Amino acid sequence: AQSVTQLGSHVSVSEGALVLLRCNYSSSVPPYLFWYVQYPNQGLQLLLKYTSAATLVKGINGFEAEFKKSETSFHLTKPSAHMSDAAEYFCAVKPTGTASKLTFGTGTRLQVTL
Amino acid sequence: EPEVTQTPSHQVTQMGQEVILRCVPISNHLYFYWYRQILGQKVEFLVSFYNNEISEKSEIFDDQFSVERPDGSNFTLKIRSTKLEDSAMYFCAGTPGHDYGYTFGSGTRLTVV
Repeated sequence: AQSVTQLGSHVSVSEGALVLLRCNYSSSVPPYLFWYVQYPNQGLQLLLKYTSAATLVKGINGFEAEFKKSETSFHLTKPSAHMSDAAEYFCAVKPTGTASKLTFGTGTRLQVTL
Repeated sequence: EPEVTQTPSHQVTQMGQEVILRCVPISNHLYFYWYRQILGQKVEFLVSFYNNEISEKSEIFDDQFSVERPDGSNFTLKIRSTKLEDSAMYFCAGTPGHDYGYTFGSGTRLTVV
């Protein structure tokens, strides 16, 4: 079964600092990978997705992620954090070429301080 | 931009009562899902639905749960006899196909008292 592990349940950065949220996947074949953001009391918004095209994926709000097969990773980054980035971030995985379920990680809460 | 619409946004129900959570998917979506998120925990898959039948379900989705899409638009999740542990945020999601992202609704917060 496929799974994702998000290292760090809480990450705190200063405004303007680099954001790095870690996600490692477990799968016998390269899967499709997703990052979602959840603001307080809201639903899940898709930030970006990897679907076997370019390994460096750019998403909304200045976020990007790089698929690294050798490291089984799909870390989310943003060069400069903004206060509005404070939210919960979820990595998710699903089998390639199917509309099967997404399996989510446990989430990382990003705090941005002045 | 098209949205997945969920109603109600918040529902409080007595233990043992039946509840129906409603979702209006995006019109070109073909695959539909229900997920739940207990407060402070991860997002858990409940069931997927395609071509008017369940394609996959989790262990959580027992006989107390059912889904249907009766009129080709609304997609509903019914919990027959609610328990305290059913209290959670329930999300509906959909996708047009396997190379696309999944669009989630804003959720229904179910509180069982």
